[in-house]
Amino acid sequence: GQNIDQPTEMTATEGAIVQINCTYQTSGFNGLFWYQQHAGEAPTFLSYNVLDGLEEKGRFSSFLSRSKGYSYLLLKELQMKDSASYLCAVFSGNTPLVFGKGTRLSVIA
Amino acid sequence: DAGITQSPRHKVTETGTPVTLRCHQTENHRYMYWYRQDPGHGLRLIHYSYGVKDTDKGEVSDGYSVSRSKTEDFLLTLESATSSQTSVYFCAIQSQSGGMNTEAFFGQGTRLTVV
Repeated sequence: GQNIDQPTEMTATEGAIVQINCTYQTSGFNGLFWYQQHAGEAPTFLSYNVLDGLEEKGRFSSFLSRSKGYSYLLLKELQMKDSASYLCAVFSGNTPLVFGKGTRLSVIA
Repeated sequence: DAGITQSPRHKVTETGTPVTLRCHQTENHRYMYWYRQDPGHGLRLIHYSYGVKDTDKGEVSDGYSVSRSKTEDFLLTLESATSSQTSVYFCAIQSQSGGMNTEAFFGQGTRLTVV
């Protein structure tokens, strides 16, 4: 089976940095995705990690450690519009894309 | 934007009636997924497809069936709708490139209410 864990909620201040963690236990591993979902909208793609290490894309970075079954999403220079849910998803070749329950991030002034 | 559309966008139906949701893509992607999203549960996989006529069950497949008779369409059917199937349903598509899976793109979602 597959198990993906993320914190349920986080709060951070505008302009700060926040790290959202994701741990996973899966049979096989092909890649890990991060998605952003604003309330009432569809999820949108943020990042994709296949190999260990850090992937940077503007204010967002994502890190993966396959040996530890661990990833994090790092958001820098937080803006109010970053208030959303952040979803971690794992794909392993013989099983479909499975999501964690998501982390609801609230950015406060 | 990825070419994926869901229909209908909103539907209210009565308990016991059949309901079919449609997901249509213009990207020729191999994988198609149906998820439901409920408060406190996140996105849960109902069924998925890895090719025409190739489908398999997800973690919450009871009460649902799917069909994929052509690459571009993936249909989700609730044979006899129940109130527990009131939810927001998302379809997603995913491709492969160089043997690796690419990001999945989501449809706009269908809000289904069973009364």
